[in-house]
Amino acid sequence: DIQMTQSPSSLSASVGDRITISCRASQSISNFLNWYQQKPGKAPKLLIYVASYLQSGVPSTFSGNGSGTDFTLTVSSLQPEDFATYYCQQSFSSPTFGQGTKVEIK
Amino acid sequence: QVQLQESGPGLVKPSETLSLTCTVSGGSVNSVSYYWSWIRQPPGKGLEWIGSISYSGSTDYNPSLKSRVTISVDTSKNRFSLRLSSVTAADTALYYCARFRRMGANGSFDYWGQGNLVTVSS
Repeated sequence: DIQMTQSPSSLSASVGDRITISCRASQSISNFLNWYQQKPGKAPKLLIYVASYLQSGVPSTFSGNGSGTDFTLTVSSLQPEDFATYYCQQSFSSPTFGQGTKVEIK
Repeated sequence: QVQLQESGPGLVKPSETLSLTCTVSGGSVNSVSYYWSWIRQPPGKGLEWIGSISYSGSTDYNPSLKSRVTISVDTSKNRFSLRLSSVTAADTALYYCARFRRMGANGSFDYWGQGNLVTVSS
């Protein structure tokens, strides 16, 4: 199995802040990396696919970067609706997810 | 708009078999472009992929669950199903069905059901 490790596990931020979440794979996964947002009581929502491509309908304040083993998700200006838990997921082999990063209001 | 809807019992006894069905609307399971998948999330925890199936019935399972999992597809009813045998309390989770959109060798889960909570308890 390819292990996915996110950091930090949680962070506190304010509306308008720029935040970055990291995701590291236990081996190279090229750009086979996706990011999801999950709000309480809801299913995850695809934000970014193939490391840097924005899913249709997702605001351009979200961006993804990286290749190989190290990836980042950046939100350039946090909005109230962005407070949620974020997961990375690799599709290089049998899918695995990171443990999640909870973004809370400061 | 593609929609996925899970259905099945919310309570299963230990050692028995968990069975869930996902009905797809607004799209067809009979497509080479997608794999149809099950993912679960224990209460308060992260996401675990269980397995996926293609329209032709080709399957791929999480190695940690492979001995207990069966996923099947019914193209005539536009749905797919999960069976997980010999369940224990550790299998208590919110079970999601999802569509895996294939992009060459890559892919992502682009549509999800709302989830079906299954509790394993006597």
